[in-house]
Amino acid sequence: TQLLEQSPQFLSIQEGENLTVYCNSSSVFSSLQWYRQEPGEGPVLLVTVVTGGEVKKLKRLTFQFGDARKDSSLHITAAQPGDTGLYLCAGQGSGGSNYKLTFGKGTLLTVNP
Amino acid sequence: DAGITQSPRHKVTETGTPVTLRCHQTENHRYMYWYRQDPGHGLRLIHYSYGVKDTDKGEVSDGYSVSRSKTEDFLLTLESATSSQTSVYFCAISARLAETYNEQFFGPGTRLTVL
Repeated sequence: TQLLEQSPQFLSIQEGENLTVYCNSSSVFSSLQWYRQEPGEGPVLLVTVVTGGEVKKLKRLTFQFGDARKDSSLHITAAQPGDTGLYLCAGQGSGGSNYKLTFGKGTLLTVNP
Repeated sequence: DAGITQSPRHKVTETGTPVTLRCHQTENHRYMYWYRQDPGHGLRLIHYSYGVKDTDKGEVSDGYSVSRSKTEDFLLTLESATSSQTSVYFCAISARLAETYNEQFFGPGTRLTVL
């Protein structure tokens, strides 16, 4: 069974601060995705990383896939109240399990004005 | 936004009654999924479909069944609802399962309460 551990589980910061969320596993994933979910809504895909060591930027968000494709991080620069939400990482299985996404339990981020 | 709707959005039912949740997509995507989301457990896969009439079990399938008679509709049935099935249910779709992509797009969710 593939597991994804996300940390921290909760994070409350002031506007303008930087933060990093981590997603770790002992399993190798063929790709890893990050989603953001707001209360009462479904998760929304932010990014997919595929290659070990890959870095992708989305405005103030920077996503990195570990060299061994077992872990990932999300870094937010100068957080804003609009960044508040639940951030989920999800790893895609390989071969016959490529239909499956394994989700972390999420990091609940609150950015205070 | 991906064209995914779920109905109903909220439902309260009693233990022992059957319940059917519907997911409808307008994207013509091949793959459809049902998840439940619970505090402390995150998103867990119940069932998925890889084509019309082609379905398979996920990690928490006990007590649930699914059907897909058309590409656009995926139904989740709780045959005899129990309180442990109180949860928020999400449908998701994806277009392809190439070795490096399984990008999923989620519906707005159905909040189900079983009394």
